[in-house]
Amino acid sequence: KAGVTQTPRYLIKTRGQQVTLSCSPISGHRSVSWYQQTPGQGLQFLFEYFSETQRNKGNFPGRFSGRQFSNSRSEMNVSTLELGDSALYLCASSFRTGNNSPLHFGNGTRLTVT
Amino acid sequence: AQTVTQSQPEMSVQEAETVTLSCTYDTSESDYYLFWYKQPPSRQMILVIRQEAYKQQNATENRFSVNFQKAAKSFSLKISDSQLGDAAMYFCAYRKNSGNTPLVFGKGTRLSVIA
Repeated sequence: KAGVTQTPRYLIKTRGQQVTLSCSPISGHRSVSWYQQTPGQGLQFLFEYFSETQRNKGNFPGRFSGRQFSNSRSEMNVSTLELGDSALYLCASSFRTGNNSPLHFGNGTRLTVT
Repeated sequence: AQTVTQSQPEMSVQEAETVTLSCTYDTSESDYYLFWYKQPPSRQMILVIRQEAYKQQNATENRFSVNFQKAAKSFSLKISDSQLGDAAMYFCAYRKNSGNTPLVFGKGTRLSVIA
């Protein structure tokens, strides 16, 4: 069974631009979560989607948004990029929402904002 | 708010030896899960071991075991017979067992394995 796939692996954008990251969950998984990883702040939760509905949201500004499609694939979008948005963005999928369902992570997308 | 603290930014171990990574957490909940994740240079977070708070028995997965001290809010990871492939960042994480709560991660411990 294929794992969680994130595209692209690397991305370089300029301050002020917007970016879209993609995540394809493990087949059969319906929940997708996004995390931001930086050296200073560590891993921070962005949001979780289940059955195309946002179930939970972290403490990030409105420039960060996401969505989930009917096939469970998810995208996250960051508008008006800032230098501080440079990070590794990790996506994780699970069979269902709820805390007894283990998360399976992808390899992440490395975003660099210049 | 729940917090997870890993007090050892870096650790090293000789191949075939045993190493213990420390983790403490702060919560007022009684029902929760604790995890250790490994992040090798490939960047993928890999679940190493999981502990349910209401289970007193410490979890074990092959060479990996935990020492879960609920009263002390301590959750350390022991790696036995260390191998070169164990070199990675290790993250301790907490998740409350109610609602759709996210994982709360510690800042990580970088483990080096010396041949």
